[in-house]
Amino acid sequence: EIVLTQSPGTLSLSPGERATLSCRASQSFSSMYLAWYQQKPGQAPRLLIYSASNRATGIPDRFSGSGSGTDFTLTISRLEPEDFAVYYCQQCGSSLRDTFGQGTKLEFK
Amino acid sequence: EVQLVESGGGLVQPGRSLRLSCAASDFTFDDYAMHWVRQAPGKGLEWVSGISWNSGRIGYADSVQGRFTISRDNAKNSLYLQMNSLRAEDTALYYCAKDMGSGDNRGAFDIWGQGTMVTVSS
Repeated sequence: EIVLTQSPGTLSLSPGERATLSCRASQSFSSMYLAWYQQKPGQAPRLLIYSASNRATGIPDRFSGSGSGTDFTLTISRLEPEDFAVYYCQQCGSSLRDTFGQGTKLEFK
Repeated sequence: EVQLVESGGGLVQPGRSLRLSCAASDFTFDDYAMHWVRQAPGKGLEWVSGISWNSGRIGYADSVQGRFTISRDNAKNSLYLQMNSLRAEDTALYYCAKDMGSGDNRGAFDIWGQGTMVTVSS
């Protein structure tokens, strides 16, 4: 099983600032199978990024993803008030043994 | 509107069983793999189980292997999760999610239901 470790656990920033979230895997896998989700309180998760760097439908271009192998990054270029939420990375490989990271909470500073 | 609606959650005693259902609408259900993901109160997301478009491939998290069974009925556009020998640690909101990949391809989860709550307690 691939273990995903997200850092930091909590990120305190202000609107307009840049956010950089990290997701590190216990073993290398194809970037085709790395996704990022946003979850707000009381809501289901929403897909932001798939295949490490592709934005999902309707996702603003201030969200970007990068990385390969074992190290992946979600960047939010200029934070908007609605971006404060919890973010999860996921590996969704062909073996049907998916895993999620433990999440990064992005909070107002 | 593309939609997933879960049902079947509730309060159940430890050791008992429960069957969750997920009804899909407005997409070609039998083209896509489907999954169950759960979230314990105040905790993160945990992938529980997934099933390929034709039920040919199935996977489970170690935490539920041997106790939970995933299945689908493509004629009814429905996904199921049979949960046996339930434990307190299975208490969570259970989400149904659609895989982006069609056929035998895998992908991220682009459509999620609103979840159904399962509480295991005596």
